[in-house]
Amino acid sequence: GQNIDQPTEMTATEGAIVQINCTYQTSGFNGLFWYQQHAGEAPTFLSYNVLDGLEEKGRFSSFLSRSKGYSYLLLKELQMKDSASYLCAGRNDYKLSFGAGTTVTVRA
Amino acid sequence: DGGITQSPKYLFRKEGQNVTLSCEQNLNHDAMYWYRQDPGQGLRLIYYSQIVNDFQKGDIAEGYSVSREKKESFPLTVTSAQKNPTAFYLCASHPQKNTGELFFGEGSRLTVL
Repeated sequence: GQNIDQPTEMTATEGAIVQINCTYQTSGFNGLFWYQQHAGEAPTFLSYNVLDGLEEKGRFSSFLSRSKGYSYLLLKELQMKDSASYLCAGRNDYKLSFGAGTTVTVRA
Repeated sequence: DGGITQSPKYLFRKEGQNVTLSCEQNLNHDAMYWYRQDPGQGLRLIYYSQIVNDFQKGDIAEGYSVSREKKESFPLTVTSAQKNPTAFYLCASHPQKNTGELFFGEGSRLTVL
């Protein structure tokens, strides 16, 4: 199984940095995804980690440690439009299992 | 444009009625998925299909049925046996086994009155 745990809510100020942690069960693990979801909309893909280390993509970076069953998503230079839910998802064979999501609120 | 089309976007039904949600993709993806999302919760897998004429139950398949007669299409029927059908339903696909991101449709919001 892929029990995915992430914090429920986080609040940060515009221009700041926020780190969203995610832990998962490592059995059968085959990749870790991060998605962004605005209210009432479909999730949009942010990043994919299959090997240990940091993947940087503009203002967003994602880190993976397979031995620890741990990942984080780093959002830098926060903007108001970054207010959304961020979903951590682990792949196990053909299935992608999602965490409950972390709601990030960016304040001016 | 390539993508995943779900319809209808909003659907209201009376309790006890079966409802079919459409999902069509023109991305030539092999794998297709149906997820359900409830307020404050993550996505839960209902059914998935890796190839035509084959599909597997996900974590919450009870009260749902699917078919995969064509590569492009993966409709989901919410039957009267589903006790709490009101939810946001998301269809997704991806191109290869075990790799690649999921591409999502815009979702269908079902409300049972």
